[in-house]
Amino acid sequence: DQQVKQNSPSLSVQEGRISILNCDYTNSMFDYFLWYKKYPAEGPTFLISISSIKDKNEDGRFTVFLNKSAKHLSLHIVPSQPGDSAVYFCAVISSGSARQLTFGSGTQLTVLP
Amino acid sequence: DVKVTQSSRYLVKRTGEKVFLECVQDMDHENMFWYRQDPGLGLRLIYFSYDVKMKEKGDIPEGYSVSREKKERFSLILESASTNQTSMYLCASSRGQGIRAQHFGDGTRLSIL
Repeated sequence: DQQVKQNSPSLSVQEGRISILNCDYTNSMFDYFLWYKKYPAEGPTFLISISSIKDKNEDGRFTVFLNKSAKHLSLHIVPSQPGDSAVYFCAVISSGSARQLTFGSGTQLTVLP
Repeated sequence: DVKVTQSSRYLVKRTGEKVFLECVQDMDHENMFWYRQDPGLGLRLIYFSYDVKMKEKGDIPEGYSVSREKKERFSLILESASTNQTSMYLCASSRGQGIRAQHFGDGTRLSIL
């Protein structure tokens, strides 16, 4: 059973608007959450992360929100740009195995010019 | 910048062959990982290593083995390749024992005919 779920396989957004990517997890022992971005023919690259002691972390156009009671994570991109078009993976870490990541299935974001 | 290099971008092999996928990182990272990426399933951990000559099974180790004779190099071995091992294989590395983002190579697209 998947512990990390990204229920939307794809998302299309107009340039300049907000992109919201969602991720749900099942295990309350997860205590660190990350987002990776992947372009075709390249490996995933780290984008932004958040610890379970926080509910928001911001880095430029990217903001990650954590709702622990709902076991829900989201990534907001504002404003969206065509270069943001990629597959976005959420990933989680539990304190019991701090070096291992568990990934979601990914969401393909397309930003339309 | 961390560089994780996978020896082949594309590889075609036949059923029953023994296949070697090589990964080298240049940042003296202790931890190395092998994943496979399949549509709708995200990245799944095959094997990982926290030190030379050390290996641990991930979520889907069946049909695979690994070798880590030097700190910078982590090899994935398909003992007898099968068509269900056709996939994108990604190698990653990270530093130390704490929570760290992993750095990925660009992947090897392996086709088993």
